Amino acid sequence: QQQVKQSPQSLIVQKGGISIINCAYENTAFDYFPWYQQFPGKGPALLIAIRPDVSEKKEGRFTISFNKSAKQFSLHIMDSQPGDSATYFCAASNDYKLSFGAGTTVTVRA
Amino acid sequence: GAVVSQHPSRVICKSGTSVKIECRSLDFQATTMFWYRQFPKQSLMLMATSNEGSKATYEQGVEKDKFLINHASLTLSTLTVTSAHPEDSSFYICSARMGSNQPQHFGDGTRLSIL
Repeated sequence: QQQVKQSPQSLIVQKGGISIINCAYENTAFDYFPWYQQFPGKGPALLIAIRPDVSEKKEGRFTISFNKSAKQFSLHIMDSQPGDSATYFCAASNDYKLSFGAGTTVTVRA
Repeated sequence: GAVVSQHPSRVICKSGTSVKIECRSLDFQATTMFWYRQFPKQSLMLMATSNEGSKATYEQGVEKDKFLINHASLTLSTLTVTSAHPEDSSFYICSARMGSNQPQHFGDGTRLSIL
């Protein structure tokens, strides 16, 4: 039973475009929502994270939007670059273990 | 900072062999380490959680006698796949965190192939 639902499964975006990945959760005990970036053959790397007391967090070209009432959060990648081509995982935690989404493969076309 | 090193990066061995994978936190002390398994094009599945000096907590469906976890120090955890078979072939990834309310930092994974 997947506690975090992630969509889309994959997306293709042109260089300079915006990539948007959405996640939804059910467990209201979750209080930490990170996003990880994973390249083939590598472990996931923490990209950006948010706690439910804020609705948005921005770090460089990456922005998390968080909607507590809807139990949804999303990742926006602005000005997408070919080097951003990777698999992105959203996750949720209640300070113990992470529950991961299914992942989104992003391909940025030059 | 927050570097996690995993060794080896790739193992190929015969069926019936036991394989040990090491996970080290290089620049911080990890009170908790986690072991995950990832199949191709799938998400990470938590196998077990280990706290330094205590027994690991295994997720439902993970055989504790098959996947032995030792967390002997604040910087080292090991996963031993005992009597490995082809169905154990997978990508195994560890993570570590400094304490509660801290993010998990992941190693680069170990590709295990059992012939």
